[in-house]
Amino acid sequence: DAKTTQPTSMDCAEGRAANLPCNHSTISGNEYVYWYRQIHSQGPQYIIHGLKNNETNEMASLIITEDRKSSTLILPHATLRDTAVYYCIAWRVQTGANNLFFGTGTRLTVIP
Amino acid sequence: DAGVTQSPTHLIKTRGQHVTLRCSPISGHKSVSWYQQVLGQGPQFIFQYYEKEERGRGNFPDRFSARQFPNYSSELNVNALLLGDSALYLCASNPIRGLGGYTFGSGTRLTVV
Repeated sequence: DAKTTQPTSMDCAEGRAANLPCNHSTISGNEYVYWYRQIHSQGPQYIIHGLKNNETNEMASLIITEDRKSSTLILPHATLRDTAVYYCIAWRVQTGANNLFFGTGTRLTVIP
Repeated sequence: DAGVTQSPTHLIKTRGQHVTLRCSPISGHKSVSWYQQVLGQGPQFIFQYYEKEERGRGNFPDRFSARQFPNYSSELNVNALLLGDSALYLCASNPIRGLGGYTFGSGTRLTVV
């Protein structure tokens, strides 16, 4: 699976949009982009995934560039509860193990 | 509907001992995966089971083993514990061995002293 690169940390003011970037320049055509987040002392929580098109759900929006080499997770109105580590994962469904490779992620701090 | 449940939540063991961690997936989910998360790092894949068969194994020594039962619950066993095995052990389930987000449990915090 392709390696992803994320900033180590980011801050965002409460109520503003949080835009979390992810680079995945070596992503292959059949690899999806997945986002998870992990709030302190809890298990990771699935947020959203996409292949080519932009995606939106009740939690966030995912914008994938046309060349698929990077993406941005957008939390439209960040709250204090969005403070967490956010992981971007390039993942290919395969016949063997479908394991997720978590990097070190981006630590997002939402500031009051 | 209950989420992924793991037991125990916390555990303290002595070096050289053996430990068994348990996981109950979401009802109807047939795929269970185990991850180890050392402090300050992202989770690392240990095992995946689907339909009671091992489908993948990460880069962990043979001291780590797992199994999945007919009701799709799973156990992770670690023998001859080392101090470095201290970590948060996470279980994740998924209805199929494919697309869709995995649902993680809150984990078992293992401390080896």
